[in-house]
Amino acid sequence: GAVVSQHPSWVICKSGTSVKIECRSLDFQATTMFWYRQFPKQSLMLMATSNEGSKATYEQGVEKDKFLINHASLTLSTLTVTSAHPEDSSFYICSGGTDLGEQFFGPGTRLTVL
Amino acid sequence: RKEVEQDPGPFNVPEGATVAFNCTYSNSASQSFFWYRQDCRKEPKLLMSVYSSGNEDGRFTAQLNRASQYISLLIRDSKLSDSATYLCVVPPRGSARQLTFGSGTQLTVLP
Repeated sequence: GAVVSQHPSWVICKSGTSVKIECRSLDFQATTMFWYRQFPKQSLMLMATSNEGSKATYEQGVEKDKFLINHASLTLSTLTVTSAHPEDSSFYICSGGTDLGEQFFGPGTRLTVL
Repeated sequence: RKEVEQDPGPFNVPEGATVAFNCTYSNSASQSFFWYRQDCRKEPKLLMSVYSSGNEDGRFTAQLNRASQYISLLIRDSKLSDSATYLCVVPPRGSARQLTFGSGTQLTVLP
């Protein structure tokens, strides 16, 4: 399958700081990338859909000013958690979509906000 | 009705057993379906894609029943390494659109 990388794999930060997570499709071009969040023992919850060169589409209840998404190229999307708080601590996973509807996931970023 | 529903389990089976999971979906227009597996604290990995009536890959068989709107995943000769959460995924239109995830079925294969 296609390969998606994510960086960093884990991060610990102080409350109030901003954290940037990068998602790259390494061997395919992902016109659409997705950002998910997963809390322990829960399923993945879609946060936003990111299309290259346009604004992201956020799911209901996800603050677009708090979770800034940039999809500058066909292989790179970034998620910035601004002014992070402990309740933002979670496992953030990105994925790149293909025209067949398959999605290939990055390894995830475990964020812990102290 | 939820868009995708799965039996959460947990399923605890002995090594070598055959186990099957079902997943029901509500959108009759869905054209493609996927099974992912997710290990603890890891990202989901694509296990099987289903575009027609079914798909088989080694010990894994996925079947689609459009009339009853469910897909199943059958695992034969279970291995310890099969222990994971299995996620049923249904794209609305099957073309790089947002996925709807089932809550997952937890499988533990016991020695």
